[in-house]
Amino acid sequence: DQQVKQNSPSLSVQEGRISILNCDYTNSMFDYFLWYKKYPAEGPTFLISISSIKDKNEDGRFTVFLNKSAKHLSLHIVPSQPGDSAVYFCAASRGTQGGSEKLVFGKGTKLTVNP
Amino acid sequence: KAGVTQTPRYLIKTRGQQVTLSCSPISGHRSVSWYQQTPGQGLQFLFEYFSETQRNKGNFPGRFSGRQFSNSRSEMNVSTLELGDSALYLCASSLGWTGSSYEQYFGPGTRLTVT
Repeated sequence: DQQVKQNSPSLSVQEGRISILNCDYTNSMFDYFLWYKKYPAEGPTFLISISSIKDKNEDGRFTVFLNKSAKHLSLHIVPSQPGDSAVYFCAASRGTQGGSEKLVFGKGTKLTVNP
Repeated sequence: KAGVTQTPRYLIKTRGQQVTLSCSPISGHRSVSWYQQTPGQGLQFLFEYFSETQRNKGNFPGRFSGRQFSNSRSEMNVSTLELGDSALYLCASSLGWTGSSYEQYFGPGTRLTVT
């Protein structure tokens, strides 16, 4: 039973355009969400997070949107750069409930930004 | 500040053997989590330790175990290795929930190959 789903295994975008990566979750107990970027042979790198009390969080070129009623979140990268090419993982947690450090990950979306 | 370090980076073992992986968290981080990454299953949570106590556990057999020392360093042990245990094992550390945010920071991983 996959509680966090990233339905697009891959995405290709032109440099300078917007990249939109999507993530759906099924467990309504999740209240904290994170996005990670992963290059081959490296561990995931934290990008941005959002609490369920918000519907948007921005950090530079990265913006995460959360739609709780639809159990959907998305990561927008504007403008996209070739260095953004990597696998992006969405993760969910019951973080605000304390003592629950477990992250549930989606299977990732491979983003390719073409020059 | 130094990041999460994992040793060894690469390991080749034979079926039936046991293996111990090590993780040193970011200084000041008391929570250490372990994940298994495989191509088919993505990133799956193994267990989490906080102040030398296992606080959360994923759905893995008892052959997978871990511990945490007083300096927050953690080890993961897999006994009676099976071919299916071949994977990238990732360690992540965190400060824990701060009341408004929470992030886990990952090490580079240990690539285990079982032959």
